[in-house]
Amino acid sequence: AQTVTQSQPEMSVQEAETVTLSCTYDTSESDYYLFWYKQPPSRQMILVIRQEAYKQQNATENRFSVNFQKAAKSFSLKISDSQLGDAAMYFCALIQGAQKLVFGQGTRLTINP
Amino acid sequence: DTEVTQTPKHLVMGMTNKKSLKCEQHMGHRAMYWYKQKAKKPPELMFVYSYEKLSINESVPSRFSPECPNSSLLNLHLHALQPEDSALYLCASSQETLGREGYGYTFGSGTRLTVV
Repeated sequence: AQTVTQSQPEMSVQEAETVTLSCTYDTSESDYYLFWYKQPPSRQMILVIRQEAYKQQNATENRFSVNFQKAAKSFSLKISDSQLGDAAMYFCALIQGAQKLVFGQGTRLTINP
Repeated sequence: DTEVTQTPKHLVMGMTNKKSLKCEQHMGHRAMYWYKQKAKKPPELMFVYSYEKLSINESVPSRFSPECPNSSLLNLHLHALQPEDSALYLCASSQETLGREGYGYTFGSGTRLTVV
């Protein structure tokens, strides 16, 4: 069975600073996809960034980047130059084979002005 | 159009009522999903439709009845719900069925359901 663990229920960061959210996962497959989703108070789940397991290069989307450590089964999200609009619940998620998308428990990120 | 649209945004219903949630996408996605999300928890999968056919039912009680009339539309019919069914119901879609989908899901903004 695949599992996703986010060990930080809450994080806070000063505006313009950098913050890293942690995620570890467990899967028996070698081919899978990892995602970070953002859920602001507006409720919509927004895809922030995705990583294909067979690609060694870490994905980057503007201020968002990941540190993908396949051997350690770690997939952390770094947010640079944090902005007030980044405040949200962040979910790490994994999909493999013919299985469903599995979410971690989430990390609530607060941005302090 | 790159959105998943859900209606209504809020719904309050009594335990004897019958209501329906609606989800629509025009991205040509062939897989659609219903999720239930309780406060401060991750979404939990309820149903998966692939090419308009129900492919996964996560042992959801029969008071929830999904329907996929066409490739763009997904409904969730509600009947005789309990107060513990109060939650955010999210619809999502993806280009392909589970397993071949590496592009993630596109989610709607959800319907906040309160059962009284």
